[in-house]
Amino acid sequence: SQTIHQWPATLVQPVGSPLSLECTVEGTSNPNLYWYRQAAGRGLQLLFYSVGIGQISSEVPQNLSASRPQDRQFILSSKKLLLSDSGFYLCAWSVLVWDNEQFFGPGTRLTVL
Amino acid sequence: AQTVTQSQPEMSVQEAETVTLSCTYDTSENNYYLFWYKQPPSRQMILVIRQEAYKQQNATENRFSVNFQKAAKSFSLKISDSQLGDTAMYFCASGTDKLIFGTGTRLQVFP
Repeated sequence: SQTIHQWPATLVQPVGSPLSLECTVEGTSNPNLYWYRQAAGRGLQLLFYSVGIGQISSEVPQNLSASRPQDRQFILSSKKLLLSDSGFYLCAWSVLVWDNEQFFGPGTRLTVL
Repeated sequence: AQTVTQSQPEMSVQEAETVTLSCTYDTSENNYYLFWYKQPPSRQMILVIRQEAYKQQNATENRFSVNFQKAAKSFSLKISDSQLGDTAMYFCASGTDKLIFGTGTRLQVFP
């Protein structure tokens, strides 16, 4: 069966510090991968999605970036965090572009102080 | 641009009763999918039900069913025989290769 992991589960970082959040998927090949941010009491905002290794589409201009160094690994990064980067970050995967049922990871709660 | 609107920030229902959550969307796509996801306090996103836009028949999953009105771009979720475990945030989503999510409806089920 397929599983998706995210770490860390919780992170507290000072403003201006770097960020690296990791997401890995097991049990499937060539998944589509997604990074979402959920601000407190809000819906999900799509940040990045990837249909293959090295292929990243950015949805929202910001100081975040994403990379996909391996087929089932998706990394969200920042060189300098802002207060507004605080939120709940969710990684998701899907198998087919058309049948886009997405399966979500457990999320990372990021607090920038 | 695609949009998904959930006009009910909060809803409440008594256990065993029925509740309907509203969702409207706007898309220029001809073929797309619609989803309802549930996010309990654990914050794990769980798929509740899905609907293919090209299918006229409304999707049903046990106590959960949808009322899909394609011309009106409406996709409401009906929960029958509500249970305490249904307490959660519910998100409507629409899309093809990317999903656009609504802002969510917080559902509270009371005993």
